[in-house]
Amino acid sequence: EDKVVQSPLSLVVHEGDTVTLNCSYEVTNFRSLLWYKQEKKAPTFLFMLTSSGIEKKSGRLSSILDKKELFSILNITATQTGDSAVYLCAVEETSGSRLTFGEGTQLTVNP
Amino acid sequence: GAVVSQHPSRVICKSGTSVKIECRSLDFQATTMFWYRQFPKQSLMLMATSNEGSKATYEQGVEKDKFLINHASLTLSTLTVTSAHPEDSSFYICSARRGWEKLFFGSGTQLSVL
Repeated sequence: EDKVVQSPLSLVVHEGDTVTLNCSYEVTNFRSLLWYKQEKKAPTFLFMLTSSGIEKKSGRLSSILDKKELFSILNITATQTGDSAVYLCAVEETSGSRLTFGEGTQLTVNP
Repeated sequence: GAVVSQHPSRVICKSGTSVKIECRSLDFQATTMFWYRQFPKQSLMLMATSNEGSKATYEQGVEKDKFLINHASLTLSTLTVTSAHPEDSSFYICSARRGWEKLFFGSGTQLSVL
């Protein structure tokens, strides 16, 4: 059975701090790993990672995948209160786009 | 803009009634759509894979007679919660893939059963 484990489950920081969110996975037929940000409603897409060692970057957010060690990290630098959300990691199988989600990391950024 | 539309965004119903949730792909055809459920402070759990023109594939533990899925066209999948009970109250989200791109999510439906 596919499994995605995120850590920490909860994180409280101050504005300006840098955070690192972790995601480890076990999946039979790996296709990609995805990061989503979920505020009040549906998740919004952040990154899709398919290759090891290639950092993806979008503004203050960046992510990298290690397919050998089966994990990914999501970094957020110079955090802002608007970064407060649940960050979900999901892995996708090669067959049929099925996603398995981790429990998510609840990030709270205080002013 | 949104590429997957979900309706309604919120529904309150009495116990024993049925509720239908629609998921539409707006500018692309989706042969496969996915339905997720999310309880408060928990992650998204895949309920079923909706296949156009054929029966849905349900995840283990999801009652197919309770959660009816119909994927009647390439742009529309519906989830009907039949004889809803308070324990069915949850946030339901659909998703669809456009070509080989990432999955797009609908905006979700908050179901409250009284």
